[in-house]
Amino acid sequence: AAGVIQSPRHLIKEKRETATLKCYPIPRHDTVYWYQQGPGQDPQFLISFYEKMQSDKGSIPDRFSAQQFSDYHSELNMSSLELGDSALYFCASSPVGVNYGYTFGSGTRLTVV
Amino acid sequence: AQSVTQPDIHITVSEGASLELRCNYSYGATPYLFWYVQSPGQGLQLLLKYLSGDTLVQGIKGFEAEFKRSQSSFNLRKPSVHWSDAAEYFCAGSNAGGTSYGKLTFGQGTILTVHP
Repeated sequence: AAGVIQSPRHLIKEKRETATLKCYPIPRHDTVYWYQQGPGQDPQFLISFYEKMQSDKGSIPDRFSAQQFSDYHSELNMSSLELGDSALYFCASSPVGVNYGYTFGSGTRLTVV
Repeated sequence: AQSVTQPDIHITVSEGASLELRCNYSYGATPYLFWYVQSPGQGLQLLLKYLSGDTLVQGIKGFEAEFKRSQSSFNLRKPSVHWSDAAEYFCAGSNAGGTSYGKLTFGQGTILTVHP
């Protein structure tokens, strides 16, 4: 079965650089969620999109922005990177109106040096 | 504020022994509840979910969980643990409707170590 695809799997950036993380949801899933998991931490909700519109927002820094495109894939853009941004970034998708425990991607591990 | 709490940071069991991981929730109304498992550096895999109805839910890999409204708990159980069950387990909740529907709030996680 198709899963949520995230790219890249690993990313190393220097402080103050910009990173772009991509998420390709399961076909026919129109809702996308982004989570950040710091080392030894539980995942924290960042932002979600439904039908290309932001549907909910969590503890996402102003330096971060995200959008969902017409093909439902989503991108998380992170600027002025800080060491504390080093984390696993997960994307998940679900069909609209369904929260039966959505499917997570394998994550992008971002390391800021 | 909504919260999910896992009181045990680390649990060690012997292979073949039974397992219970604790989860407590605090929500204004009965939430949807989930258990996820995560191997080191890997993604989150859904083990099981409680949406409504039968309070004992069965999941994958031989896991089950029981929703107890009176105790605000959703504990995960397995009768006989295998070495491959060693991982970190997260309990999570979400609103069953209304605002922030779909957004998951995770507990702090419980690391399971299995001794041979």
